[in-house]
Amino acid sequence: ETAVFQTPNYHVTQVGNEVSFNCKQTLGHDTMYWYKQDSKKLLKIMFSYNNKQLIVNETVPRRFSPQSSDKAHLNLRIKSVEPEDSAVYLCASSFTGVGNTLYFGEGSRLIVV
Amino acid sequence: AEKVIQVWSTASRQEGEELTLDCSYETSQVLYHLFWYKHLLSGEMVFLIRQTSSSTAKERSGRYSVVFQKSLKSISLIISALQPDDSGKYFCALWELNSGGSNYKLTFGKGTLLTVTP
Repeated sequence: ETAVFQTPNYHVTQVGNEVSFNCKQTLGHDTMYWYKQDSKKLLKIMFSYNNKQLIVNETVPRRFSPQSSDKAHLNLRIKSVEPEDSAVYLCASSFTGVGNTLYFGEGSRLIVV
Repeated sequence: AEKVIQVWSTASRQEGEELTLDCSYETSQVLYHLFWYKHLLSGEMVFLIRQTSSSTAKERSGRYSVVFQKSLKSISLIISALQPDDSGKYFCALWELNSGGSNYKLTFGKGTLLTVTP
């Protein structure tokens, strides 16, 4: 049963547009993540965030930014999309701590034309 | 009901031993893919190995191999010659098209935390 909800699941847009993906978790977790799945199926961490700390992967372009209103929500905003941003973006959540289970959303597929 | 089930939440072995991690799944699709990932402390999810539903080949990548039992909807990851660096959380994931065929989704199991002691 899904407890990490992502919207939209699929989005097609043009280069230069702004895109936002929303993520909400109902598990009471205190840490949320955004991953980008590339063409090789590798999941690259983009951000992890709890109510105390935002950790940004330094390889993430500055046009990407996380937005959080509370610990149950972590949205991903892309200011001006580029063709290489086409990918699946996965949101996840967990309790803070090593080895805690990650719960993933179903993914948001972005196609930039 | 959960779509991807990893029964064991934790496992421990000694260096040099072999480990089998089990995963069962549910799908009504004919074509799907199964993945094994390793979750690193950095947050990175490292792709280990993939099994396509239509393939009968025994997939292997270095010390990783899988046992795919399609009729049982089961896939096991085998890690040989374990090293302490293999310690981490291992996730099984099911990739399948959605019912409309317009998109796909990736469903993860809850993971198995492996500890390898020297």
